[in-house]
Amino acid sequence: NAGVTQTPKFQVLKTGQSMTLQCAQDMNHNSMYWYRQDPGMGLRLIYYSASEGTTDKGEVPNGYNVSRLNKREFSLRLESAAPSQTSVYFCASSEFSGRREVFGPGTRLTVL
Amino acid sequence: GQQLNQSPQSMFIQEGEDVSMNCTSSSIFNTWLWYKQDPGEGPVLLIALYKAGELTSNGRLTAQFGITRKDSFLNISASIPSDVGIYFCAGDGGGGSNYKLTFGKGTLLTVNP
Repeated sequence: NAGVTQTPKFQVLKTGQSMTLQCAQDMNHNSMYWYRQDPGMGLRLIYYSASEGTTDKGEVPNGYNVSRLNKREFSLRLESAAPSQTSVYFCASSEFSGRREVFGPGTRLTVL
Repeated sequence: GQQLNQSPQSMFIQEGEDVSMNCTSSSIFNTWLWYKQDPGEGPVLLIALYKAGELTSNGRLTAQFGITRKDSFLNISASIPSDVGIYFCAGDGGGGSNYKLTFGKGTLLTVNP
């Protein structure tokens, strides 16, 4: 089992560019999450999907959109990147909402 | 929303020392989880606690679910250099089909060899 995989591992964007971060899990988990991690701020939830077909806003959703493509995949899109979105992005999944989450390796994004 | 206060924010210790960190909340939690994040990696689950008063060990790590259900503690005994990283607590407060975990801001641990 690969667990949670994320692509790309690193990305540099210019302000205004768009991109999609991909996440997939092979554990048959129902719930998936996107977090961002900034120094001193811990993990902040951007969006989550409690089950296939549902998505909900987390603590910091502005500037992002998500798609739960199927049970395995949950993507995060930045439509018009801003320097404030420079961060490390983690995808996670769990069997059900509120259960122990398994994290991916992260995507390190820099917006110039 | 629910918030977790994790302390200390950072610790600098010598190899061989014991370490203690904790998380507190104004709300009751049904589950407490402790994660470790190695530099450049994603967080990995260390210990999960499911009952008030529960004490669980994982090697040199011991965690406890507070009796009031509003706090949890993590102890690391005889620290070694590979203990370096960020330790996060997380809690599940329940509350319906869309409940999710709440994370503390983390404790950054540095171990001097």
